[in-house]
Amino acid sequence: GESVGLHLPTLSVQEGDNSIINCAYSNSASDYFIWYKQESGKGPQFIIDIRSNMDKRQGQRVTVLLNKTVKHLSLQIAATQPGDSAVYFCAETPWANQAGTALIFGKGTTLSVSS
Amino acid sequence: IAGITQAPTSQILAAGRRMTLRCTQDMRHNAMYWYRQDLGLGLRLIHYSNTAGTTGKGEVPDGYSVSRANTDDFPLTLASAVPSQTSVYFCASSQTSGSSDTQYFGPGTRLTVL
Repeated sequence: GESVGLHLPTLSVQEGDNSIINCAYSNSASDYFIWYKQESGKGPQFIIDIRSNMDKRQGQRVTVLLNKTVKHLSLQIAATQPGDSAVYFCAETPWANQAGTALIFGKGTTLSVSS
Repeated sequence: IAGITQAPTSQILAAGRRMTLRCTQDMRHNAMYWYRQDLGLGLRLIHYSNTAGTTGKGEVPDGYSVSRANTDDFPLTLASAVPSQTSVYFCASSQTSGSSDTQYFGPGTRLTVL
């Protein structure tokens, strides 16, 4: 069956370090991937997305890498700040542009940033 | 622009009672979703709606119903609440198009069924 998961449930880094959060998926038909950040007591917040026809996409301090060969997704956060502390979820959908298509979420990685 | 609002923020409910969680979006998105989030299980889809007037079942629909009378509102109803429905409920919306399927989430409703 398909699944989306994260390699590590927790990640602790020092302020200023770069963080890398990993995610593996099993459905080779997956077409669209999203990273969400969820702070305590809040809803998931969109960070960055990538489609299967891309290998890399950059945003502000964040980069998402997609390796379709090994079905692996990663989120890189540059110069991690205390405000980046949150739970990070990867999500995927195997059917692009179909309304009502559920996002399949991984179980999340908790990022803790110490100053 | 508020985005997505949910009400109530939290609720404690006796088992067997009926409860409706409200969700409103002002982005004119065509699609809306309800998820529940439980510790260790992540976010799971309960119901969704492609457009006003249509709804569909997600991964965990039992015990829940939805309606989509208009574009902006997507209420979730628990006809007879049970303790296993204790969870945090998130509403989301998206504008499905050729370039983006990104779902945007509301702040959530924390529901406790006793």
